Amino acid sequence: QITLKESGPTLVKPTQTLTLTCTFSGFSLSTSGVGVGWIRQPPGKALEWLALIYWDDDKRYSPSLKSRLTITKDTSKNQVVLTMTNMDPVDTATYYCAHRGMALFDYWGQGTLVTVSS
Amino acid sequence: QPVLTQPPSASASLGASVTLTCTLSSGYSNYKVDWYQQRPGKGPRFVMRVGTGGIVGSKGDGIPDRFSVLGSGLNRYLTIKNIQEEDESDYHCGADHGSGSNFGYVFGTGTKVTVL
Repeated sequence: QITLKESGPTLVKPTQTLTLTCTFSGFSLSTSGVGVGWIRQPPGKALEWLALIYWDDDKRYSPSLKSRLTITKDTSKNQVVLTMTNMDPVDTATYYCAHRGMALFDYWGQGTLVTVSS
Repeated sequence: QPVLTQPPSASASLGASVTLTCTLSSGYSNYKVDWYQQRPGKGPRFVMRVGTGGIVGSKGDGIPDRFSVLGSGLNRYLTIKNIQEEDESDYHCGADHGSGSNFGYVFGTGTKVTVL
């Protein structure tokens, strides 16, 4: 059974750096073809893909946010970490991590709401 | 990159059918689309992938047989037959684009389904 859970601060101030952790079980990020992605959803708005890391440490980023994002993995801890710099109120959103298997985002976490406010 | 267009809302009476549409922008008629269900306050749940030939691969875990897909031209459809109260959700479509270093993923704006 694959599960993922996001964790991190619920409130960050403008200009601060956000660090989110995705802790997962039921799969290994050392398995060929497997990845973990991050997706966010501002309140009442559409989903937006942010970043993806693969088993071989290959990384992909949304072009519009690439300069602000870093995704890393700790295979031994079954964790993937996303950092986003220079946070702004428009970055207020629920942030999800998702398992990427068979080229699909087939399992998602419950999400964590991050509010950006001074 | 493709733009995915979804109507903002749809509704159906309990036990009836509803078909949701995800329309790809011009030039992307060969693209496959993923459908996701998002119940209120929950994370998205993968439903299935659809191309012009219909379903690609398998349905997501626990997706009932009442859910089916079709693809035609720029449109990718998700049909829910015998709709139940538990199907009242937001439904999102998404698609891979590019490959290798140019990989990206785009989502539509979502359709809110109401069961009457």
